[in-house]
Amino acid sequence: DAGITQSPRHKVTETGTPVTLRCHQTENHRYMYWYRQDPGHGLRLIHYSYGVKDTDKGEVSDGYSVSRSKTEDFLLTLESATSSQTSVYFCAISESQTNQPQHFGDGTRLSIL
Amino acid sequence: SQQGEEDPQALSIQEGENATMNCSYKTSINNLQWYRQNSGRGLVHLILIRSNEREKHSGRLRVTLDTSKKSSSLLITASRAADTASYFCAWGNNDMRFGAGTRLTVKP
Repeated sequence: DAGITQSPRHKVTETGTPVTLRCHQTENHRYMYWYRQDPGHGLRLIHYSYGVKDTDKGEVSDGYSVSRSKTEDFLLTLESATSSQTSVYFCAISESQTNQPQHFGDGTRLSIL
Repeated sequence: SQQGEEDPQALSIQEGENATMNCSYKTSINNLQWYRQNSGRGLVHLILIRSNEREKHSGRLRVTLDTSKKSSSLLITASRAADTASYFCAWGNNDMRFGAGTRLTVKP
């Protein structure tokens, strides 16, 4: 399995609080991604990164920000969490172009009450 | 759906039978990928088929692609209980899109 660690694995928080999820990789892959998975929607891309300090928006980026200060770490921040952001969040990595195979972490289950 | 569609949404079969899942997408593609997800885990890449390929095999997996119909199918032959999982197709360039998935149950 690719070395991808997501933390925390589970989190419960309240509406309006800031939340940061972390993705750490040991593969030295250039591309990193954040997705959310909701019933009936498959996975939807939030943001992705194509290098240190290089990021771009995905399909559902509103309400989320990201940062990548090191190759191995990609952070996803919900500045002021809302109940609609309750979801399972997955980090993924890929070695080259964004349409190449991606390797996924095991997800963070986030509940916002 | 803006994402595309997969059908069936759920499929239940006996061990040893074949399972076929279908995917439709809405944009032009360079390639299409299939992933498996076991309950509570992340997705695992299974196979990638390029837009100039019509069929590809990997072990018990066979994938077909019809770019004129914007559709793909995944066939799992001689299924096993361990194949029980959700299966997703994915396509895109900078913005990867995933289908809603097919939940496959293989009964021993």
